[in-house]
Amino acid sequence: DGGITQSPKYLFRKEGQNVTLSCEQNLNHDAMYWYRQDPGQGLRLIYYSQIVNDFQKGDIAEGYSVSREKKESFPLTVTSAQKNPTAFYLCASNTPGGGYTEAFFGQGTRLTVV
Amino acid sequence: KQEVTQIPAALSVPEGENLVLNCSFTDSAIYNLQWFRQDPGKGLTSLLLIQSSQREQTSGRLNASLDKSSGRSTLYIAASQPGDSATYLCAVTNNAGNMLTFGGGTRLMVKP
Repeated sequence: DGGITQSPKYLFRKEGQNVTLSCEQNLNHDAMYWYRQDPGQGLRLIYYSQIVNDFQKGDIAEGYSVSREKKESFPLTVTSAQKNPTAFYLCASNTPGGGYTEAFFGQGTRLTVV
Repeated sequence: KQEVTQIPAALSVPEGENLVLNCSFTDSAIYNLQWFRQDPGKGLTSLLLIQSSQREQTSGRLNASLDKSSGRSTLYIAASQPGDSATYLCAVTNNAGNMLTFGGGTRLMVKP
């Protein structure tokens, strides 16, 4: 059953702590994305990666870091430099260009600072 | 920079009504447009995808249209049901097909 899996579903972070959100896909998609969603708002792009070992900053990359060592995996680290990390985080994937290019999303991780 | 706007922000209708959700975008150089559904606390489910060369797509009671030159799309929901209650998001993909820009969503409530 193909899809995108995000874990954990809920995550709590203490002040000054780094936390890592997992995103795995078995759709054989080339590109993966991280979005942040705040209550009542649309999605804002944090980082994206079009191929392994390459990634680009989105609109709100400050305080976040990513890696893309494998095609299937695109973890997001929320660092202590991110001053307002409480939000809903969504991971997506697609294969850009040359065809259907439909984006698929995971079920999200809700991060709360305690 | 691409900007996507959805109107209205919230909508409440009685069951059985037909309704239209609107999406507009500022840069017509898009690869495609997608409509998504989001239930509270959940991820996004893709409803319809319209390629830039297409005018509309249909799936069941849903019909999405695209007027690329005017920067507009509509999502038509026929015979609405309480189970349709959710937030509906539209997103446009840039010409390279590698980045989606989202609207703020329309929160739909269908009352029994």
